[in-house]
Amino acid sequence: EVHLLESGGGLVQPGASLRLSCAVSGFTFGSYSMTWVRQAPGKGLEWVSEISGGGDYTYYADSVKGRFTLSRDNPKNTLYLQMNSLRAEDTALYYCAKRYCSGGVCHHFDHWGQGTLVTVSS
Amino acid sequence: DIQMTQSPSSLSASVGDRVTITCRASQGISSWLAWYQQKPGKAPKALVYAASSLQGGVPLRFSGSGSGTDFTLTINSLQPEDFATYYCQQYKSFPFTFGGGTKVEIK
Repeated sequence: EVHLLESGGGLVQPGASLRLSCAVSGFTFGSYSMTWVRQAPGKGLEWVSEISGGGDYTYYADSVKGRFTLSRDNPKNTLYLQMNSLRAEDTALYYCAKRYCSGGVCHHFDHWGQGTLVTVSS
Repeated sequence: DIQMTQSPSSLSASVGDRVTITCRASQGISSWLAWYQQKPGKAPKALVYAASSLQGGVPLRFSGSGSGTDFTLTINSLQPEDFATYYCQQYKSFPFTFGGGTKVEIK
């Protein structure tokens, strides 16, 4: 069974840094792209970043580009999101999710963690 | 960036009703579209991918259709457990984008 467990969220001041982790099990981690999606309180879903299975390629939303860095440690089955220069508008529940791929084609996010809350406030 | 527009933003329906939610992309995305269901306090759950392919384990009363710029999610015979918020998402190109959501409430 696929499991994704996020951690590392918390309350930080504007300008601070935070590193989120997503520990996974139940599938061959290094074979799948992984993504982060966030949801501000009472708002909709916002895609944040994605990393390829081997970690060679990363993609970011404009809202976090230059401040967030996505990486992965495949032997440890763990995904990391380093968040620097945090702003109040980064306050959200951060979900990690696995990309569904079949026949060499990747589609949607088929498994999600339960999320970790990041609050940026002075 | 590709903008995704969902309508309506909310709707009221009764158990047993047929519900249709629409999603429009600001440019053609072929069939690179997914639908998710989210209940309060829970993570999103995948329902449909590739516009019309049902995620494993999802009840057959859910169906997706469309291609290009216009898509629909249909729930036949709405059940009590279907009251939730639904989101569409394009994955044709980065940055991936979600629609604003449709909240399905009990009438």
